[in-house]
Amino acid sequence: GESVGLHLPTLSVQEGDNSIINCAYSNSASDYFIWYKQESGKGPQFIIDIRSNMDKRQGQRVTVLLNKTVKHLSLQIAATQPGDSAVYFCAENLDGAGAQKLVFGQGTRLTINP
Amino acid sequence: KAGVTQTPRYLIKTRGQQVTLSCSPISGHRSVSWYQQTPGQGLQFLFEYFSETQRNKGNFPGRFSGRQFSNSRSEMNVSTLELGDSALYLCASSSAGDTNEKLFFGSGTQLSVL
Repeated sequence: GESVGLHLPTLSVQEGDNSIINCAYSNSASDYFIWYKQESGKGPQFIIDIRSNMDKRQGQRVTVLLNKTVKHLSLQIAATQPGDSAVYFCAENLDGAGAQKLVFGQGTRLTINP
Repeated sequence: KAGVTQTPRYLIKTRGQQVTLSCSPISGHRSVSWYQQTPGQGLQFLFEYFSETQRNKGNFPGRFSGRQFSNSRSEMNVSTLELGDSALYLCASSSAGDTNEKLFFGSGTQLSVL
């Protein structure tokens, strides 16, 4: 997840379909990962998190998968709705010393087609 | 419970000026973090405060500073503004600032430097 900015990857899906958003993180020592959703004009909104001792975690309509071997994180959104349209960021916590210092990925813009 | 509140929402300054942004965390939260968001660099960590002490700092010049008050409210200051400081500045709070805690973000202050 080190942010390199510039062009935002875009994913377009049909309403009702499932979406999968992928993220590669940078540090094998990261122990906590979070997905955020950011709508236009708003701050990032927490979706789901996962610790490094897990490889899968489910929430309401969302699932996060963690593959530490290849340093890959994914967010699956089931039955996407128009309200899911937003930019999605993964973030990793590089500081295991009891403080927070999140490193965000560049983000993926999810567009839901009616 | 009220969310993270940031003021002002929008700010326009000119080069060379200084600016102070304010953040009120969620009631009971003691950790406040600041992030800068730009289209080119994405979301980048500025610093984190806990119990009025700066615990963590990102890679920003000394023109960026902050502080936290005894009621956990925080301010960040940018001196000698440059055009490149134009960004959305986001504040986030968490309960104790532990590594595996969720961060809750405010809507940000949009700073434009002319």
